[in-house]
Amino acid sequence: KNEVEQSPQNLTAQEGEFITINCSYSVGISALHWLQQHPGGGIVSLFMLSSGKKKHGRLIATINIQEKHSSLHITASHPRDSAVYICAASGGGADGLTFGKGTHLIIQP
Amino acid sequence: EPEVTQTPSHQVTQMGQEVILRCVPISNHLYFYWYRQILGQKVEFLVSFYNNEISEKSEIFDDQFSVERPDGSNFTLKIRSTKLEDSAMYFCASSAGGGGNTEAFFGQGTRLTVV
Repeated sequence: KNEVEQSPQNLTAQEGEFITINCSYSVGISALHWLQQHPGGGIVSLFMLSSGKKKHGRLIATINIQEKHSSLHITASHPRDSAVYICAASGGGADGLTFGKGTHLIIQP
Repeated sequence: EPEVTQTPSHQVTQMGQEVILRCVPISNHLYFYWYRQILGQKVEFLVSFYNNEISEKSEIFDDQFSVERPDGSNFTLKIRSTKLEDSAMYFCASSAGGGGNTEAFFGQGTRLTVV
């Protein structure tokens, strides 16, 4: 069974700062997902990656398969980035995702 | 943009009652999932569904739970006899491919409160 760990659990930063959220997992995966959850509860998919790096706007996600580690970066952070960021791992087959506990990010103006 | 729709957004039920949570997945998706999130905890996998049958279920998904795709559009989660500990946010998700190798689209969730 995969264990997915995230750090930090909570992060408060000033607007404009570069943000890094880390995720590690215990067994090999087929893909790693980064998701965003807003206070209302809805979950939005940000990235799905199985190797290398992906970029979308100010968000960048990287993964190191050998080290079983992924990072989510936010450049030029903005208060609207405040949310819970969750990483989730998939192990192939038809099973669902194994989620981390999430990182609660607050960006102060 | 296509989206996964869940109804109701909030349901309050008495302990022991049956509830049905409804989901309309994205129309060309083939894989469907239910997850739950107890307040303050992480999201947990309940069940995956493909080709009109359960593909995999977690240990949480015991005999009180069932899923159904009664027609071409709806995907439902039934909890037969609710318990206080079933209070949680329930998320439906769908994806075009399986194995977690394609992007999953989540609904806004149904907050279930058992009293």
